[in-house]
Amino acid sequence: ETGVTQTPRHLVMGMTNKKSLKCEQHLGHNAMYWYKQSAKKPLELMFVYSLEERVENNSVPSRFSPECPNSSHLFLHLHTLQPEDSALYLCASSQAGASTDTQYFGPGTRLTVL
Amino acid sequence: GESVGLHLPTLSVQEGDNSIINCAYSNSASDYFIWYKQESGKGPQFIIDIRSNMDKRQGQRVTVLLNKTVKHLSLQIAATQPGDSAVYFCAPRGGSNDYKLSFGAGTTVTVRA
Repeated sequence: ETGVTQTPRHLVMGMTNKKSLKCEQHLGHNAMYWYKQSAKKPLELMFVYSLEERVENNSVPSRFSPECPNSSHLFLHLHTLQPEDSALYLCASSQAGASTDTQYFGPGTRLTVL
Repeated sequence: GESVGLHLPTLSVQEGDNSIINCAYSNSASDYFIWYKQESGKGPQFIIDIRSNMDKRQGQRVTVLLNKTVKHLSLQIAATQPGDSAVYFCAPRGGSNDYKLSFGAGTTVTVRA
């Protein structure tokens, strides 16, 4: 257990569905991240929130919408996804501003878009 | 952006032997480096880190070596065990004012019994 939890662990959705991924960190960190991990590709940073403010949006399509209501919770709202969006979505947290701001990852949500 | 490459995408190791996983990075401003281990069906797990003012750091059965001159680091695993089978990533940070980590494709380590 890394102190970062994600739900659901697996999600299958159609292209017209709307769903949300949830992440919660119990480490007292002030920054949270969403990454996408596709097969055979490096982790892709999607969004970064620091002190609940979005500081990074890495050219992610608008069908992905993040929300960070407080420093412990992060959501990724999904709507009208495409089959190529099928991947492992990872959440991470860190203490931004620390000299060694290690990112700790959750177990991920395996998303399949039909 | 920074590019991160691991010298071998796969590594097969006999149980009990030592493993060495190599990583090259491109950004000379990188000041902090993390090694992660990712087992099947799990998220990346922190193994060990090293700051740029060090050239070696040891943990439990793992050692990380950093050569800033040639922008190279390695992860050594002593007495490799079946539970060490996983994908290993090195992740340099872009600089002291940068929160972003760069990830390569990873090295898949398979331990043979």
